[in-house]
Amino acid sequence: GDSVTQMEGPVTLSEEAFLTINCTYTATGYPSLFWYVQYPGEGLQLLLKATKADDKGSNKGFEATYRKETTSFHLEKGSVQVSDSAVYFCALSDSTTGTALIFGKGTTLSVSS
Amino acid sequence: DSGVTQTPKHLITATGQRVTLRCSPRSGDLSVYWYQQSLDQGLQFLIQYYNGEERAKGNILERFSAQQFPDLHSELNLSSLELGDSALYFCASSPRGRRDSSYEQYFGPGTRLTVT
Repeated sequence: GDSVTQMEGPVTLSEEAFLTINCTYTATGYPSLFWYVQYPGEGLQLLLKATKADDKGSNKGFEATYRKETTSFHLEKGSVQVSDSAVYFCALSDSTTGTALIFGKGTTLSVSS
Repeated sequence: DSGVTQTPKHLITATGQRVTLRCSPRSGDLSVYWYQQSLDQGLQFLIQYYNGEERAKGNILERFSAQQFPDLHSELNLSSLELGDSALYFCASSPRGRRDSSYEQYFGPGTRLTVT
Protein backbone atom coordinates (compact mmCIF):
# COMPACT_ATOMS: atom_id res chain seq x y z
CA GLY A 1 0.00 0.00 0.00
CA ASP A 2 0.87 3.64 -0.09
CA SER A 3 3.36 4.91 2.46
CA VAL A 4 5.35 7.94 3.55
CA THR A 5 8.86 7.98 4.97
CA GLN A 6 10.28 11.08 6.59
CA MET A 7 13.54 11.70 8.32
CA GLU A 8 13.78 10.80 11.97
CA GLY A 9 14.10 13.63 14.40
CA PRO A 10 14.57 15.49 16.47
CA VAL A 11 16.08 18.24 14.40
CA THR A 12 17.74 20.95 16.47
CA LEU A 13 18.67 24.26 14.85
CA SER A 14 19.67 27.74 15.81
CA GLU A 15 17.50 30.66 14.81
CA GLU A 16 18.04 31.78 11.18
CA ALA A 17 19.49 28.41 10.16
CA PHE A 18 18.39 26.63 6.98
CA LEU A 19 15.91 23.81 7.40
CA THR A 20 15.40 20.68 5.33
CA ILE A 21 13.13 17.82 6.35
CA ASN A 22 13.23 14.94 3.92
CA CYS A 23 10.10 13.11 2.82
CA THR A 24 9.76 10.31 0.28
CA TYR A 25 6.67 8.38 -0.65
CA THR A 26 5.47 5.19 -2.27
CA ALA A 27 2.15 5.39 -4.01
CA THR A 28 0.03 3.96 -6.77
CA GLY A 29 -0.92 6.68 -9.17
CA TYR A 30 -0.43 10.36 -8.54
CA PRO A 31 -1.35 11.37 -5.01
CA SER A 32 -1.65 14.87 -3.65
CA LEU A 33 1.12 15.66 -1.16
CA PHE A 34 0.93 17.69 2.04
CA TRP A 35 2.94 19.02 4.92
CA TYR A 36 1.09 19.45 8.19
CA VAL A 37 2.44 21.06 11.36
CA GLN A 38 1.45 20.28 14.94
CA TYR A 39 2.30 22.81 17.65
CA PRO A 40 2.43 21.57 21.24
CA GLY A 41 -1.00 20.72 22.58
CA GLU A 42 -2.75 21.53 19.32
CA GLY A 43 -4.24 19.75 16.32
CA LEU A 44 -2.67 19.51 12.90
CA GLN A 45 -2.59 22.52 10.63
CA LEU A 46 -2.07 22.34 6.91
CA LEU A 47 1.22 24.04 6.09
CA LEU A 48 1.34 23.54 2.33
CA LYS A 49 0.29 21.19 -0.42
CA ALA A 50 1.01 20.17 -4.01
CA THR A 51 -1.38 18.28 -6.22
CA LYS A 52 0.71 17.32 -9.24
CA ALA A 53 4.29 16.73 -10.31
CA ASP A 54 6.59 19.78 -10.29
CA ASP A 55 4.10 21.81 -8.27
CA LYS A 56 5.69 23.88 -5.52
CA GLY A 57 3.70 24.45 -2.36
CA SER A 58 4.67 27.40 -0.19
CA ASN A 59 3.46 29.11 2.96
CA LYS A 60 5.02 31.20 5.76
CA GLY A 61 8.48 30.87 4.20
CA PHE A 62 8.26 27.08 3.90
CA GLU A 63 8.47 25.41 0.50
CA ALA A 64 8.24 21.90 -0.91
CA THR A 65 8.32 20.68 -4.51
CA TYR A 66 6.50 17.57 -5.75
CA ARG A 67 9.23 15.49 -7.43
CA LYS A 68 7.74 12.49 -9.24
CA GLU A 69 11.09 11.22 -10.52
CA THR A 70 12.50 10.90 -7.00
CA THR A 71 9.12 10.39 -5.27
CA SER A 72 10.01 13.13 -2.83
CA PHE A 73 8.46 16.18 -1.21
CA HIS A 74 11.18 17.69 0.97
CA LEU A 75 10.28 20.62 3.22
CA GLU A 76 12.63 23.62 3.27
CA LYS A 77 12.85 27.00 4.95
CA GLY A 78 15.64 29.46 4.46
CA SER A 79 15.68 30.96 7.96
CA VAL A 80 13.89 29.28 10.84
CA GLN A 81 12.50 31.06 13.88
CA VAL A 82 11.93 29.89 17.44
CA SER A 83 8.20 29.96 16.70
CA ASP A 84 8.71 27.25 14.05
CA SER A 85 9.41 24.69 16.79
CA ALA A 86 6.80 21.98 16.25
CA VAL A 87 6.26 18.51 14.82
CA TYR A 88 6.07 18.35 11.03
CA PHE A 89 4.20 15.60 9.19
CA CYS A 90 4.47 14.70 5.54
CA ALA A 91 1.31 13.10 4.12
CA LEU A 92 -0.25 11.90 0.91
CA SER A 93 -3.77 11.18 -0.24
CA ASP A 94 -4.35 7.45 -0.18
CA SER A 95 -4.99 6.00 -3.62
CA THR A 96 -7.16 3.23 -2.18
CA THR A 97 -9.69 5.47 -0.48
CA GLY A 98 -9.01 8.47 -2.64
CA THR A 99 -9.30 10.90 0.20
CA ALA A 100 -7.86 9.62 3.47
CA LEU A 101 -4.40 10.85 4.41
CA ILE A 102 -1.41 8.61 5.03
CA PHE A 103 1.11 10.26 7.31
CA GLY A 104 4.77 9.87 7.96
CA LYS A 105 5.88 9.42 11.56
CA GLY A 106 6.59 13.10 12.06
CA THR A 107 9.77 15.09 12.60
CA THR A 108 10.23 17.20 15.71
CA LEU A 109 11.92 20.53 15.07
CA SER A 110 13.42 22.50 17.93
CA VAL A 111 14.77 25.98 17.22
CA SER A 112 16.80 27.86 19.82
CA SER A 113 17.62 31.55 19.95
CA ASP B 1 -8.80 27.92 14.59
CA SER B 2 -9.68 25.35 11.91
CA GLY B 3 -13.43 25.55 12.50
CA VAL B 4 -13.58 21.88 13.48
CA THR B 5 -14.63 21.27 17.08
CA GLN B 6 -14.18 18.16 19.17
CA THR B 7 -15.49 17.24 22.59
CA PRO B 8 -14.43 16.34 25.14
CA LYS B 9 -10.84 17.56 25.18
CA HIS B 10 -9.76 14.92 27.67
CA LEU B 11 -11.29 11.63 28.70
CA ILE B 12 -10.09 9.23 31.36
CA THR B 13 -11.81 5.89 31.70
CA ALA B 14 -11.20 2.31 32.75
CA THR B 15 -10.57 -0.82 30.73
CA GLY B 16 -13.72 -2.49 29.47
CA GLN B 17 -15.68 0.75 29.33
CA ARG B 18 -17.31 2.49 26.35
CA VAL B 19 -16.88 6.13 25.36
CA THR B 20 -18.20 8.46 22.66
CA LEU B 21 -16.17 11.19 21.04
CA ARG B 22 -17.92 13.98 19.20
CA CYS B 23 -16.89 16.07 16.23
CA SER B 24 -18.51 19.03 14.46
CA PRO B 25 -17.04 19.74 11.01
CA ARG B 26 -16.45 23.13 9.45
CA SER B 27 -19.57 24.78 8.16
CA GLY B 28 -20.44 23.32 4.78
CA ASP B 29 -17.96 20.44 4.83
CA LEU B 30 -19.62 17.14 4.00
CA SER B 31 -16.78 14.76 4.81
CA VAL B 32 -15.61 13.81 8.28
CA TYR B 33 -12.52 11.71 8.96
CA TRP B 34 -11.33 10.12 12.18
CA TYR B 35 -7.65 9.54 12.93
CA GLN B 36 -5.83 7.99 15.86
CA GLN B 37 -2.44 9.30 16.98
CA SER B 38 -0.42 7.06 19.26
CA LEU B 39 3.26 6.93 20.13
CA ASP B 40 3.84 3.52 18.60
CA GLN B 41 1.56 3.67 15.53
CA GLY B 42 1.79 7.34 14.67
CA LEU B 43 -1.16 8.95 12.91
CA GLN B 44 -3.54 6.41 11.41
CA PHE B 45 -6.73 6.86 9.45
CA LEU B 46 -9.71 5.12 11.02
CA ILE B 47 -12.83 5.92 9.03
CA GLN B 48 -14.48 8.49 6.75
CA TYR B 49 -18.10 9.58 6.43
CA TYR B 50 -19.49 11.63 3.62
CA ASN B 51 -22.90 13.25 3.96
CA GLY B 52 -24.10 10.63 6.42
CA GLU B 53 -22.73 7.55 4.73
CA GLU B 54 -19.60 5.56 5.42
CA ARG B 55 -17.16 6.25 2.58
CA ALA B 56 -13.88 4.57 3.53
CA LYS B 57 -12.40 2.46 6.28
CA GLY B 58 -8.83 2.31 7.48
CA ASN B 59 -7.29 0.54 10.43
CA ILE B 60 -10.38 0.67 12.57
CA LEU B 61 -10.93 -2.07 15.13
CA GLU B 62 -14.24 -3.93 15.27
CA ARG B 63 -14.72 -2.55 18.80
CA PHE B 64 -14.84 0.94 17.28
CA SER B 65 -17.69 2.39 15.27
CA ALA B 66 -18.73 5.78 13.98
CA GLN B 67 -21.66 7.57 12.48
CA GLN B 68 -22.48 10.90 10.91
CA PHE B 69 -25.78 12.55 11.67
CA PRO B 70 -28.08 14.64 9.42
CA ASP B 71 -26.59 17.87 10.83
CA LEU B 72 -23.19 16.44 9.71
CA HIS B 73 -21.66 16.11 13.15
CA SER B 74 -20.01 12.77 13.79
CA GLU B 75 -19.46 10.49 16.75
CA LEU B 76 -16.79 7.87 17.26
CA ASN B 77 -17.76 5.10 19.65
CA LEU B 78 -15.04 3.07 21.33
CA SER B 79 -16.08 0.02 23.34
CA SER B 80 -14.45 -2.70 25.44
CA LEU B 81 -11.58 -0.31 25.92
CA GLU B 82 -8.06 -1.60 26.38
CA LEU B 83 -4.93 0.11 27.66
CA GLY B 84 -3.61 0.21 24.10
CA ASP B 85 -6.53 2.39 23.00
CA SER B 86 -5.03 5.31 24.90
CA ALA B 87 -4.27 7.89 22.22
CA LEU B 88 -5.18 11.23 20.71
CA TYR B 89 -8.22 10.97 18.46
CA PHE B 90 -8.51 13.61 15.77
CA CYS B 91 -11.44 14.50 13.63
CA ALA B 92 -10.92 16.27 10.31
CA SER B 93 -13.33 17.67 7.78
CA SER B 94 -12.98 18.31 4.12
CA PRO B 95 -14.76 20.31 1.48
CA ARG B 96 -14.59 17.21 -0.71
CA GLY B 97 -17.89 16.91 -2.40
CA ARG B 98 -17.70 20.36 -3.82
CA ARG B 99 -16.39 20.78 -7.33
CA ASP B 100 -13.17 22.45 -6.30
CA SER B 101 -12.09 19.86 -3.73
CA SER B 102 -8.38 19.21 -3.40
CA TYR B 103 -8.26 16.61 -0.67
CA GLU B 104 -7.38 19.29 1.87
CA GLN B 105 -8.44 18.35 5.40
CA TYR B 106 -8.93 20.59 8.41
CA PHE B 107 -8.21 19.05 11.78
CA GLY B 108 -9.86 19.57 15.13
CA PRO B 109 -7.86 19.97 18.36
CA GLY B 110 -8.30 16.29 19.26
CA THR B 111 -9.61 14.28 22.20
CA ARG B 112 -7.01 12.74 24.45
CA LEU B 113 -8.24 9.38 25.69
CA THR B 114 -6.53 7.73 28.63
CA VAL B 115 -7.56 4.18 29.52
CA THR B 116 -6.47 3.07 32.98
